Amino acid sequence: GAVVSQHPSWVICKSGTSVKIECRSLDFQATTMFWYRQFPKQSLMLMATSNEGSKATYEQGVEKDKFLINHASLTLSTLTVTSAHPEDSSFYICSASRAGGMDSPLHFGNGTRLTVT
Amino acid sequence: GNSVTQMEGPVTLSEEAFLTINCTYTATGYPSLFWYVQYPGEGLQLLLKATKADDKGSNKGFEATYRKETTSFHLEKGSVQVSDSAVYFCALSGGTDKLIFGTGTRLQVFP
Repeated sequence: GAVVSQHPSWVICKSGTSVKIECRSLDFQATTMFWYRQFPKQSLMLMATSNEGSKATYEQGVEKDKFLINHASLTLSTLTVTSAHPEDSSFYICSASRAGGMDSPLHFGNGTRLTVT
Repeated sequence: GNSVTQMEGPVTLSEEAFLTINCTYTATGYPSLFWYVQYPGEGLQLLLKATKADDKGSNKGFEATYRKETTSFHLEKGSVQVSDSAVYFCALSGGTDKLIFGTGTRLQVFP
């Protein structure tokens, strides 16, 4: 069964509104979660690394004020797309590692398809 | 910087055909290499991995060998099934949980 739950699976919103996406690790604690963005026919691009209890680390070119990340507990990270615009329409995927390091495989959520009209 | 290049799809095969999906990488140091699979309507799942040169990862009949001399990690399966239809992602990691993905290759297997 799924060990990382992502919600919602899809969302349609109007331009200018904000959308929150949740990523939960279901049966393990994840000190680190990752947020990816995937454009059609393109690779998953890492947006940011979410660290429990501290600020997220954003990749170059990702707007921190537009993509707000909160990792308030060991099982939940949220990504909020603020003042969304049509160019923010994309597929957003989170992942989490059970214990960190490459001996523990990353578990991915099923993704959230965001459409901004 | 680190990057992954994989062949564009879709790859269309008949059941029991031989599969190769090419993947090459650019990286500093000694990255770990991965293949992830995404079945329709599901999240990404780790298919196999290799952490050092000449290692062979294998799972569910799929194999990939870490070739440092050619900077490649091609995915192969001797006899594909309809149930293998999915999108396959090649990825690398430079020693942390941070993954760099290829663009994904869609595989369609017909009976």
